[in-house]
Amino acid sequence: EAGVVQSPRYKIIEKKQPVAFWCNPISGHNTLYWYLQNLGQGPELLIRYENEEAVDDSQLPKDRFSAERLKGVDSTLKIQPAELGDSAVYLCASSSRTRPYEQYFGPGTRLTVT
Amino acid sequence: GEDVEQSLFLSVREGDSSVINCTYTDSSSTYLYWYKQEPGAGLQLLTYIFSNMDMKQDQRLTVLLNKKDKHLSLRIADTQTGDSAIYFCAYNFGNEKLTFGTGTRLTIIP
Repeated sequence: EAGVVQSPRYKIIEKKQPVAFWCNPISGHNTLYWYLQNLGQGPELLIRYENEEAVDDSQLPKDRFSAERLKGVDSTLKIQPAELGDSAVYLCASSSRTRPYEQYFGPGTRLTVT
Repeated sequence: GEDVEQSLFLSVREGDSSVINCTYTDSSSTYLYWYKQEPGAGLQLLTYIFSNMDMKQDQRLTVLLNKKDKHLSLRIADTQTGDSAIYFCAYNFGNEKLTFGTGTRLTIIP
């Protein structure tokens, strides 16, 4: 079974530019999560989807961040415009209806804003 | 995060047991987890324990939960060089967000 797929793995952009990250969850997993991991810290939730619905986006900085999961499968996280402080690893995770307490993570996208 | 405390570093000799400790503040958490992160990689789910359990063993891994003291530990028996990584303690309430600690970097001494 394929794991959570994320792309790109690395991205370097200049500040004020837009950037997008893509995630494909494990097949059949209805819940999808985006986490932000700053250097030397544990991940923190940005947004959680149940199918197409964003059920927890309280930690998403909505002035510059947006996300979508239009068909309830893959998802895109966007930042526009990027700031220097957005440099971090963006992790996607997914879980299933039958084992909702097991979250499986992708390899992450490392963003560097210069 | 401030809700979950872990020591930053642990060094262990190859072949010895490693014990990684974690304390948490939220007594109503339902599930407690250990994740492993190797350099440049995502987080690997190692094991988890339900809050109504005291212990869980899975091959070389033993998880102990002391709910009274809000203390979780992970014991790795016969530690190998491949166990070098950062280990994160986390908790949640089912499929909701995971709250992570800052991670413990485990270094194996040959």
